[in-house]
Amino acid sequence: DSGVTQTPKHLITATGQRVTLRCSPRSGDLSVYWYQQSLDQGLQFLIQYYNGEERAKGNILERFSAQQFPDLHSELNLSSLELGDSALYFCASSPGTSDGTDTQYFGPGTRLTVL
Amino acid sequence: AQKVTQAQTEISVVEKEDVTLDCVYETRDTTYYLFWYKQPPSGELVFLIRRNSFDEQNEISGRYSWNFQKSTSSFNFTITASQVVDSAVYFCALSGGTDSWGKLQFGAGTQVVVTP
Repeated sequence: DSGVTQTPKHLITATGQRVTLRCSPRSGDLSVYWYQQSLDQGLQFLIQYYNGEERAKGNILERFSAQQFPDLHSELNLSSLELGDSALYFCASSPGTSDGTDTQYFGPGTRLTVL
Repeated sequence: AQKVTQAQTEISVVEKEDVTLDCVYETRDTTYYLFWYKQPPSGELVFLIRRNSFDEQNEISGRYSWNFQKSTSSFNFTITASQVVDSAVYFCALSGGTDSWGKLQFGAGTQVVVTP
């Protein structure tokens, strides 16, 4: 158990809908990262927050957004869902260092299925 | 741009055989970090090891060992005397540098299948 929690574990929804994925980092960690794992793209970095502020951005679609709250939990919002958004979404957390290379510990993931 | 290549898609072994997973990386940064993660059938990503670019000392931890060679940009991982519980997908990842602050660049992964 990494100490990172994600809810829900599974999510089934329809195209065009909007969903919110939630992540609670390990105690004391200030950085939260979101990754998408799909069969065709593999593991892709989406976005990182550090102590409430966006720190780094990957190939995140405009339909996707995220935020980190004062209690350091984070939410990833996916809107106007398409079939291709079906994937395993991971949240990771780390203490947060000045060079951004500390070890990231991953949550169990949220499996999103868009029908 | 950073890139991680895991050329082996799948490796199948019989229990107690050794397994070596290859990882080749590309980066222009002089300071970077390399990682191995394991993803068992249950789906979670489990951290195994982190190495920085200045530490080429190879390491052994139980049945796991790592071989980091900067000259060939490789960071290989060996499981000695494999067990069925080692069956998983193993990912090599790279981070570091101003262009990739906080971002882990993953390889495609290598599926390891250990049969009794």
